[in-house]
Amino acid sequence: DTGVSQNPRHKITKRGQNVTFRCDPISEHNRLYWYRQTLGQGPEFLTYFQNEAQLEKSRLLSDRFSAERPKGSFSTLEIQRTEQGDSAMYLCASSFSEDRGFEAFFGQGTRLTVV
Amino acid sequence: AQSVTQLGSHVSVSEGALVLLRCNYSSSVPPYLFWYVQYPNQGLQLLLKYTTGATLVKGINGFEAEFKKSETSFHLTKPSAHMSDAAEYFCAVTPGYSSASKIIFGSGTRLSIRP
Repeated sequence: DTGVSQNPRHKITKRGQNVTFRCDPISEHNRLYWYRQTLGQGPEFLTYFQNEAQLEKSRLLSDRFSAERPKGSFSTLEIQRTEQGDSAMYLCASSFSEDRGFEAFFGQGTRLTVV
Repeated sequence: AQSVTQLGSHVSVSEGALVLLRCNYSSSVPPYLFWYVQYPNQGLQLLLKYTTGATLVKGINGFEAEFKKSETSFHLTKPSAHMSDAAEYFCAVTPGYSSASKIIFGSGTRLSIRP
């Protein structure tokens, strides 16, 4: 297994366009997280899934953001009608819920620039 | 609810000197604590974690941290800094009573190493 994979690595889009990011977790991991990170800040929680169920969604997430994890495998994060404030690094992580001292493994992130 | 405070957004030490990065947490239940490192344009890599048991935990690259419940602290140390340690470091917390919860990150400390 090569770890958590995120695509694309970079995305430049015009304001008002929709964008979709993909995350492929480590294969045996049943939990998947999305975080957003802006320059000089720590990762900010957006949402997470256990298998295909979305268990929690941050109140910071506006209605323009939606995430899915069909069949409990890969996940997609869509941002509709992008705004300049959406420019950030979007990080995906996965873990195995049965490990009580669970360790979240992160992908390399997708850097979004909204112009 | 859980939260993390990292004291000092930027720490600079000389090569070979002691590294000390401070982290204080807030948690209503016994926490699991983590330190992650992030290199430029990369995802996060786990350095070490505390779940239960020994309060002094050792991680990769010579780093260690001590869980002090009375001080609600989980400071990261390394006896002798190396140029390759220059990176962003994040402390994180999650409630230890349940595996069904998100990880909360601090705002990070940028470590610089002077030759």
